[in-house]
Amino acid sequence: AQSVTQLDSHVSVSEGTPVLLRCNYSSSYSPSLFWYVQHPNKGLQLLLKYTSAATLVKGINGFEAEFKKSETSFHLTKPSAHMSDAAEYFCVVSDLTGGANNLFFGTGTRLTVIP
Amino acid sequence: GAGVSQSPSNKVTEKGKDVELRCDPISGHTALYWYRQRLGQGLEFLIYFQGNSAPDKSGLPSDRFSAERTGESVSTLTIQRTQQEDSAVYLCASRPGGGDNQPQHFGDGTRLSIL
Repeated sequence: AQSVTQLDSHVSVSEGTPVLLRCNYSSSYSPSLFWYVQHPNKGLQLLLKYTSAATLVKGINGFEAEFKKSETSFHLTKPSAHMSDAAEYFCVVSDLTGGANNLFFGTGTRLTVIP
Repeated sequence: GAGVSQSPSNKVTEKGKDVELRCDPISGHTALYWYRQRLGQGLEFLIYFQGNSAPDKSGLPSDRFSAERTGESVSTLTIQRTQQEDSAVYLCASRPGGGDNQPQHFGDGTRLSIL
């Protein structure tokens, strides 16, 4: 069965310090993985995606994520947090064994950036 | 370019009334999804359309909920006899196809408030 676990519901960092948002997945297939960001009163915006090419994926706004098959992880990182990074972040797994709806969302991590 | 458009952006209605929410996907996107997002929560899958295939309705919470899609264009989500627990943001997303490596593109949602 497919599933996504975002290990932290809330993460708080100081401005200028590194960000780590954790995501673990389970999939019986070689999945595609995505990170989305949601700012207040907005839809979800794609940050980056992994689709079986390079395991280190660079996205928008300085974010990157590394696919680690041995750890079934796809953690999101950024070297230096900015105030505008405060938002909700969702990890998503997609694979062809999930049937018609083959996308599975994590429960989200709320990032707070302290000035 | 044009993204996913949802209307209305906000809807306030009395308990027991019917509401209709609209989603215009990105042109050429064959896959369309509806999600419900309660305040401070993650995304709850409702329904998925892929081309001319039968929709995956497995996420609809009750028979008061229904959705239609005209070909590969606009979709409407209808909630009959609304209840207060229906209050949420309803998000629509489209995707180029059913393949697992394509990201979704989200609208900004319709915020539904049931009085």
